[in-house]
Amino acid sequence: GQNIDQPTEMTATEGAIVQINCTYQTSGFNGLFWYQQHAGEAPTFLSYNVLDGLEEKGRFSSFLSRSKGYSYLLLKELQMKDSASYLCAVRASRGNSGGYQKVTFGTGTKLQVIP
Amino acid sequence: NAGVTQTPKFRVLKTGQSMTLLCAQDMNHEYMYWYRQDPGMGLRLIHYSVGEGTTAKGEVPDGYNVSRLKKQNFLLGLESAAPSQTSVYFCASSKRGLGGNQPQHFGDGTRLSIL
Repeated sequence: GQNIDQPTEMTATEGAIVQINCTYQTSGFNGLFWYQQHAGEAPTFLSYNVLDGLEEKGRFSSFLSRSKGYSYLLLKELQMKDSASYLCAVRASRGNSGGYQKVTFGTGTKLQVIP
Repeated sequence: NAGVTQTPKFRVLKTGQSMTLLCAQDMNHEYMYWYRQDPGMGLRLIHYSVGEGTTAKGEVPDGYNVSRLKKQNFLLGLESAAPSQTSVYFCASSKRGLGGNQPQHFGDGTRLSIL
């Protein structure tokens, strides 16, 4: 199976930088996704990592270390609209042909941005 | 593009009633999924489909059935609703593949209460 751990809640100040961590244990790792979910809305895709290193997309960056089973999402220049839950999701190969690979979601980190 | 559309958005049922949740996607995605999201539990996979005419069990399939008669539609049925099935249900779709950046696209959710 897969275990994914994220902090439950975080608070940060508008304009600051915040790092949301995700640790995972899985066999057959084949990619990690970050999603943003505003209260009462659907999750939306933010970033994807499959190789070690940093992927940058504007104010958002995501980092992966496969050897450590660790990822983080970095949000810069925080805005009030960044208040949301951030979900880490890990994809793992089942070792079978046919294509389907299981994706497991963490419970999410609820980020509150304060003035 | 509408993306992923779920109907209904809200529903209240009495214990023992049945209903079907509808999901339609217009992105020609091969894979479709049904999740439930409960406080503190994150997104849990109920059933999924890797193509028209195929379905498979996810993490929490008991009490639910699904059908995928057409590629663009994925239906979730509750045969005899129970209070434990009170939740927010999300449908999602994604491209098929052995890896790569293929995130899931989510519908807006169905908020279901069982009394």
